[in-house]
Amino acid sequence: GESVGLHLPTLSVQEGDNSIINCAYSNSASDYFIWYKQESGKGPQFIIDIRSNMDKRQGQRVTVLLNKTVKHLSLQIAATQPGDSAVYFCAEKGAQKLVFGQGTRLTINP
Amino acid sequence: DAGVIQSPRHEVTEMGQEVTLRCKPISGHDYLFWYRQTMMRGLELLIYFNNNVPIDDSGMPEDRFSAKMPNASFSTLKIQPSEPRDSAVYFCASSRDAISGNTIYFGEGSWLTVV
Repeated sequence: GESVGLHLPTLSVQEGDNSIINCAYSNSASDYFIWYKQESGKGPQFIIDIRSNMDKRQGQRVTVLLNKTVKHLSLQIAATQPGDSAVYFCAEKGAQKLVFGQGTRLTINP
Repeated sequence: DAGVIQSPRHEVTEMGQEVTLRCKPISGHDYLFWYRQTMMRGLELLIYFNNNVPIDDSGMPEDRFSAKMPNASFSTLKIQPSEPRDSAVYFCASSRDAISGNTIYFGEGSWLTVV
């Protein structure tokens, strides 16, 4: 089932540092995972995805790591910029549905 | 490409009133999704359509909620009667297929407040 949270976890990083956002997923049968970025007042925007037959995938300044053994997903953002400030969601796909995690708020300190 | 278009962007209504949210998916997309976002429960899938046919409505909270897709370019989500606990952001999304996440595009959302 989905987790219910009262408070959104927050990660604060210095501008220029690397950010690592973590996500634990629930369904061991999920075969596809996606990271979305949601800026204030906007809808979620696709960042990067990974299939269950992979452990790592790299994009532009972003890397997603998948550890199926412990059902853990992480998003690494290199050289974090002010424009990276947003809420980041992981999502897992199982049985045609995309199920979103709780989300993590990333704030950038100048 | 205009992207997924939702209306209204913001709505404030009184408890008991009917609310209709509208969505125009991206042309050529066969799948349409309605999500609800709240601080308490995050993003929840309410219902999705494939080729205008509802496939899974198990996320629809109760009978007060209904969704239709009369054609490939239009869908509505209706709440009747509305209650304060329905206050949330409602997102419509569309995709060419339900498999790859990079093809799921979200609209800007409809911000609903029921007082």
